[in-house]
This record gives sequence, C-alpha cells and structure tokens, in this order.
Amino acid sequence: DTAVSQTPKYLVTQMGNDKSIKCEQNLGHDTMYWYKQDSKKFLKIMFSYNNKELIINETVPNRFSPKSPDKAHLNLHINSLELGDSAVYFCASSGHHYGYTFGSGTRLTVV
Amino acid sequence: AQSVTQLDSQVPVFEEAPVELRCNYSSSVSVYLFWYVQYPNQGLQLLLKYLSGSTLVKGINGFEAEFNKSQTSFHLRKPSVHISDTAEYFCAVSSVAGGTSYGKLTFGQGTILTVHP
Repeated sequence: DTAVSQTPKYLVTQMGNDKSIKCEQNLGHDTMYWYKQDSKKFLKIMFSYNNKELIINETVPNRFSPKSPDKAHLNLHINSLELGDSAVYFCASSGHHYGYTFGSGTRLTVV
Repeated sequence: AQSVTQLDSQVPVFEEAPVELRCNYSSSVSVYLFWYVQYPNQGLQLLLKYLSGSTLVKGINGFEAEFNKSQTSFHLRKPSVHISDTAEYFCAVSSVAGGTSYGKLTFGQGTILTVHP
C-alpha cells in the first residue's frame, strides 16, 4: 500500500492549458504539502494544509491553486501553464513526531 | 527564517571508501534535522532524522549523522560506500513549532554522490 500517492506520474501539456495533480495519503497525517523541484533539483515548499486549512502559502503565482477536500487529499490545480512551470512536483504529508513522507513525484513538462 | 547549506555539490568516491556529506544550517529557533536520498527519477526517501536526544543518529543503509549544535552542522557519514549508494542527497531542517506537526521543510541544494568501482 502506497503511503502517499500522486497522479499522474508524468504530465506533458501545452502552454496555456489547465491541469491538475492529485495527492492522497493513507497515513492518517494531519498535514499535507506541495513541493516543487526545479531543473537544478532544488526543492522548495509551495503550500501546506493542516486539517483542510491552508497554513503555508509561499510566494507562488495565483495560477497555482491547492484544494484539500479532506485531510487525506491535497490537489494542485494549475491554470494557464507556462514553460517555467516545468518541474517535478512532490506531495508530502507529516504527522506526529515530525515524520515527513513524500510521494513519488509528478514530472510536469510544458511544451 | 531558516536556511540549509550543503557544502559540496558533488562528491566522487571509490567503492568501499568512507564518505562524509556536509550540511550546515542556520535558524533562530530550535530545529529538527533530516537527510533524504533521491535516486534517479525517483522520489525522496528518508535516510535518518534528528529530533532530540543522542546527537549521533543512525539511519538506513548504514548511514549515520551527527548533530553539532555549536557548529550548526549535521554531516552525513558512511564508513564504506557501495555502487548502489550513487544518488543525490538532501539535508533539510524544520523548525520546532510548539509541538505541532506542520513545520515546513527547508532543503539544501543537494549533494550528488557518485561511487566509482
């Protein structure tokens, strides 16, 4: 059973399109995150939700909108995709004792 | 604010040799410290973490790290590396936030470890 699962694993799309990435965790964690890994492998937090409430919103364009329907799910919707959005997006969750578990990533390529 | 600096972007080493990957952090509050490994085209796997207690932390795959508060360092070591250890390694910190579980992770730039036969 995958603890943090993301779909899709790969996403290739044209500039200007709107796309979504889904994330689900079955660990019972209260907090979920989206991280972006750029072409230089640098990882940076984008958003964090705790029990469906947005608690971290780093400097991210408004075209990115996270949604958490319940504490086990955190989806990322991206409007009007740009070339610079190409990256690997990781979902993660954390619970007590500060354990963070990452998903396997979604490689987004904008052409 | 917190930051993490991994002092070496690439570390080449021969098989069965020891290795140390260096990590320094900066934070105005107490932190938790982590090392993650990323194999090519894969996700992040936790190697080890320091939350409290003994400053020497043992992790998976024979790795260990030592928390040095005075030097604000958390260097990762392995006494004898294997070809399969070739990967990118990330040091990360999160602030101790009053017992909550939602401190964000701040990552270093990563160190590519290449093990040669």
